[in-house]
Amino acid sequence: EVQLVESGGGLVQPGGSLRLSCEASEFIVSRNYMSWVRQAPGKGLEWVSVIYSGGSTFYADSVKGRFTISRDNSKNTLYLQMNSLGTEDTAMYYCARILPFAENFDYWGQGTSVTVSS
Amino acid sequence: EIVLTQSPGTLSLSPGERATLSCRASQSVSSNYLSWYQQKPGQAPRLLIYGASSRATGIPDRFSGSGSGTDFTLTISRLEPEDFAVYYCQQYSSSPLYIFGQGTKLEIK
Repeated sequence: EVQLVESGGGLVQPGGSLRLSCEASEFIVSRNYMSWVRQAPGKGLEWVSVIYSGGSTFYADSVKGRFTISRDNSKNTLYLQMNSLGTEDTAMYYCARILPFAENFDYWGQGTSVTVSS
Repeated sequence: EIVLTQSPGTLSLSPGERATLSCRASQSVSSNYLSWYQQKPGQAPRLLIYGASSRATGIPDRFSGSGSGTDFTLTISRLEPEDFAVYYCQQYSSSPLYIFGQGTKLEIK
């Protein structure tokens, strides 16, 4: 069964950094399009970043220059390095697999919570 | 930048009734890349519909999608108690790459 398990969330001060991880099972991360989607408390879904199978990466304007998506093929794991965090980055962060032909998110992790507060 | 506007914001219905949820794009979009998700409290979203009208694996046939151009609809033919949730539409675009609507909350009347 396909599974995505996120970790690495927590409480961080404004200006701080955090690295989220997403370990995948039953499929190969590097052969798929993988993404991070976040959801602020009580709000809707916001796409954050994507890494394509070829290695290309893209970001939402709200995180560009601060967040970096990457993967470790040996660990079959997706990452999101988040720097210069602000209170507006407080959210549940989900990793998700993208179906290339439909450009949608077919499998999601359970999410990891990030709180940016002093 | 394409904006997806969902209506209504909240829909109050009873089990057994028919639900019609709307997703309107600010400009014409490809129906190939229009998807719908269901999210229950404390859970991750679940893919329901892709390509505007194709049901994802394991999705009951009471869920159906339709539309083209700028107007898309998610219909739930006969509401079951487990269908009360928040629904999002999503489109693949040029910038940002993946756009979500703001959601419609389907609540029990």
